This record gives sequence, C-alpha cells and structure tokens, in this order.
Amino acid sequence: KQEVTQIPAALSVPEGENLVLNCSFTDSAIYNLQWFRQDPGKGLTSLLLIQSSQREQTSGRLNASLDKSSGRSTLYIAASQPGDSATYLCAVNEAGTALIFGKGTTLSVSS
Amino acid sequence: GAVVSQHPSWVICKSGTSVKIECRSLDFQATTMFWYRQFPKQSLMLMATSNEGSKATYEQGVEKDKFLINHASLTLSTLTVTSAHPEDSSFYICSARGQLTNYGYTFGSGTRLTVV
Repeated sequence: KQEVTQIPAALSVPEGENLVLNCSFTDSAIYNLQWFRQDPGKGLTSLLLIQSSQREQTSGRLNASLDKSSGRSTLYIAASQPGDSATYLCAVNEAGTALIFGKGTTLSVSS
Repeated sequence: GAVVSQHPSWVICKSGTSVKIECRSLDFQATTMFWYRQFPKQSLMLMATSNEGSKATYEQGVEKDKFLINHASLTLSTLTVTSAHPEDSSFYICSARGQLTNYGYTFGSGTRLTVV
C-alpha cells in the first residue's frame, strides 16, 4: 500500500529565504506526483504536476523535482514571501487511481 | 482549465439529519470522482471512488450505508452523509478525473460540515 511521507511537518523561516520541502513515497510505480497548496479552511490549489517520465517542473519561484527510483520529490521555493505561508501537500497516484496524500508541511514565512 | 464546483461550501446540521454535498464538473466529463475527508490538522483521506453509472468503491473502514455516493451522470456526483453525528464533522472534498485528462485531477473547493 502506497504511503507518502512529508518532512518537515512544520517550518518557520524569515522572508527571503530559499527553502526545500521533502516528500517520499514507498511504491515507485507512480504515474503522477503533484504538489498542492492548502490555506487554512480552504480547498486545494495545484502547484506543480510531474509525470513519472519527467524529472522536474518549474513555475515561477517554485521548482519540483522527482526521483522516481528512490521514491523522493522535493519542492523548492525561492525567495519566500509571507504570502507563501500555507500547508503544502504532496500526492502521488498510479494511472487512473486516486491521489494518495502526505500529511503536509505547514510553512510560516515571517516578514 | 477544468473546473469542479462543489457546494455547499459549509453546512451546519443537527444530529440525526442527512446532508447532501454536490460536485459538478463544469467544462469536462468526470468519468471518475474521488471523495476525501480531512479532519483538522490531518491530511486528506480517501473515502471512496465512483465511476459514472457504477456503484462506488469504498475504502476500508468507510461505512457505505452512512456515506451514500451517487454518480449518475458524467457531470454530477453527490455524497450524502446520512444520520449525521458530531464525529462526522469534517472537511469533505471531491476530486474529478476526466476521460481525456492525463495531467492530474481537479479538486472541488471543499465542504465544511459541522454536526451539532
């Protein structure tokens, strides 16, 4: 059974810092890996999707990498801003199946 | 892009009553719908998977008679929480997958259910 782990569970940084969020999964036979952002009491915002054949995806200040063989992904946030404060969720799925989520990393960026 | 409309966004109900949550795919046909539940400070836990026109497949530990899922059309799926109790209070969110969608799933905005 696929399990997704995210480290750290919480992270506090001053504004401007670059940071890395980690995600690992137990079964490397994934189809997609997605990173989401969730604000308190809100739904999910998709940030980046990496297909299994890809190594990384970039969007603005965000860069996500995927090492399928080792079961790991990282989300890199450059020049963090207070508006980046949220919970970041990593999720994976096999083809056609539901996304399995990690417990998330709660990020707090102070000004 | 693909949009899933979920409503209500929040609902308060009395113990023993039933609550229906709707998810509609607005610009694509959702062949598969996934329903998740999220308790405070926890991650999203998959409750069930439904394919249009078929009975839903429930995850272990999820009561199918309590959480009724209907996916009668390619654009609408509903989750009904029957005889709700305070322990059913949670954040419920749907996710849709289209027939031609190979690039991730689209999520609804979620429903905050409070049972008093």
